[in-house]
Amino acid sequence: EIVLTQSPGTLSLSPGERATLSCRASQSVSSSYLGWYQQKPGQAPRLLTHGASTRATGIPDRFSGSGSGTDFTLTISRLEPEDFAVYYCQQYGGSPWTFGQGTKVEIK
Amino acid sequence: EVQLVESGGGLVQPGGSLRLSCAASGFTFSNYWMTWVRQAPGKGLEWVANIKQDGSEKYYVDSVKGRFTISRDNAKNSLYLQMNSLRAEDTAVYFCARLHYDSSGRPGFDIWGQGTMVTVSS
Repeated sequence: EIVLTQSPGTLSLSPGERATLSCRASQSVSSSYLGWYQQKPGQAPRLLTHGASTRATGIPDRFSGSGSGTDFTLTISRLEPEDFAVYYCQQYGGSPWTFGQGTKVEIK
Repeated sequence: EVQLVESGGGLVQPGGSLRLSCAASGFTFSNYWMTWVRQAPGKGLEWVANIKQDGSEKYYVDSVKGRFTISRDNAKNSLYLQMNSLRAEDTAVYFCARLHYDSSGRPGFDIWGQGTMVTVSS
């Protein structure tokens, strides 16, 4: 099983600041098979990226993903109030498909 | 409007059974792989099972193999999860989701239901 470890667990930032979220895999994952989701309290997750770096439909360009192999990053260039949420990475490259434990982006 | 609506959750005793349903609308259901993902209270997301468009392929996380069965009825635009021998650790919100591949073949769960709560407790 591929284990995804996200860091930090919590990120305390102010609106307008830049957020950098990390996702590290226990073994190499194709960048095509690593995606990111956003989840707000009481809501279903929302797809942010197809693959490590391709934004899903309707996702603003302040969200960008990058990475390869075992190290992946989601960057939010300037935090908007609606971006404070929990973010999960997910890998589809190995069975079972697995999620990271999440990074909470909270208002400082 | 593209939509997924889950139903069938509730309180069940350990060892009991429950069948979840997910009604799809606004898209051609039979064209998509579908999935169940769960989230225990206050915890992260866990992929549970996938099913191919025609139901010919099914995949499960190890913790539910032999206890849960994913199925679908394309004529009714519906996805199901039959859960047997339920355990306390199965307590979670269960989401159904659509698996979408973009133009480059990259997957993603692009449409989600609102979730249905399953509580396993005596």
